[in-house]
Amino acid sequence: AQSVTQPDIHITVSEGASLELRCNYSYGATPYLFWYVQSPGQGLQLLLKYFSGDTLVQGIKGFEAEFKRSQSSFNLRKPSVHWSDAAEYFCAVGFPGGGADGLTFGKGTHLIIQP
Amino acid sequence: DTEVTQTPKHLVMGMTNKKSLKCEQHMGHRAMYWYKQKAKKPPELMFVYSYEKLSINESVPSRFSPECPNSSLLNLHLHALQPEDSALYLCASSPPTGTEHYEQYFGPGTRLTVT
Repeated sequence: AQSVTQPDIHITVSEGASLELRCNYSYGATPYLFWYVQSPGQGLQLLLKYFSGDTLVQGIKGFEAEFKRSQSSFNLRKPSVHWSDAAEYFCAVGFPGGGADGLTFGKGTHLIIQP
Repeated sequence: DTEVTQTPKHLVMGMTNKKSLKCEQHMGHRAMYWYKQKAKKPPELMFVYSYEKLSINESVPSRFSPECPNSSLLNLHLHALQPEDSALYLCASSPPTGTEHYEQYFGPGTRLTVT
């Protein structure tokens, strides 16, 4: 069965430090991969996406993510976080041909920024 | 323009009330979605419209009634809701086919409180 896992429920990072949020999926083929960010009480904003091609993708707000087929992972990274990055981050996966329409979301990672 | 708008931003309603949530997009997307999101949880898919026709109903109770009057508008009619229906209701849109079908753009949501 297809699934998406975000292993970290909470992550605390100091302002200016680097960040990596983990996302793993289970699927027999290459899925379509997305990262969304959600500030409290707001909608979801698309940070970046991967369909095919170059496995390192750049997104908005200085974020990047790397698709690693061998690890079934799509981890989100940022070299230096800002206090405004504090939010909930969702990894979302589309499973083409998998029988489900649309996106499957991970449970989310809550990012806390320490001054 | 990648904007999806939703009105109202906040809604408080009693269990006997009838109200409607509205969603609008002008990206030419022919797939539109309603999601329900409880606090600290990922969005849960409720309905999918494709070319203005209901294509997916994720076993949602009949007190929620979706409507897609045209390709830009999506409504969610609410009647006889329960307090457990209190949540953030998110609208999203995407192209109806192809890889971009999985690239969903979300509105800011309507915060619904049922008293």
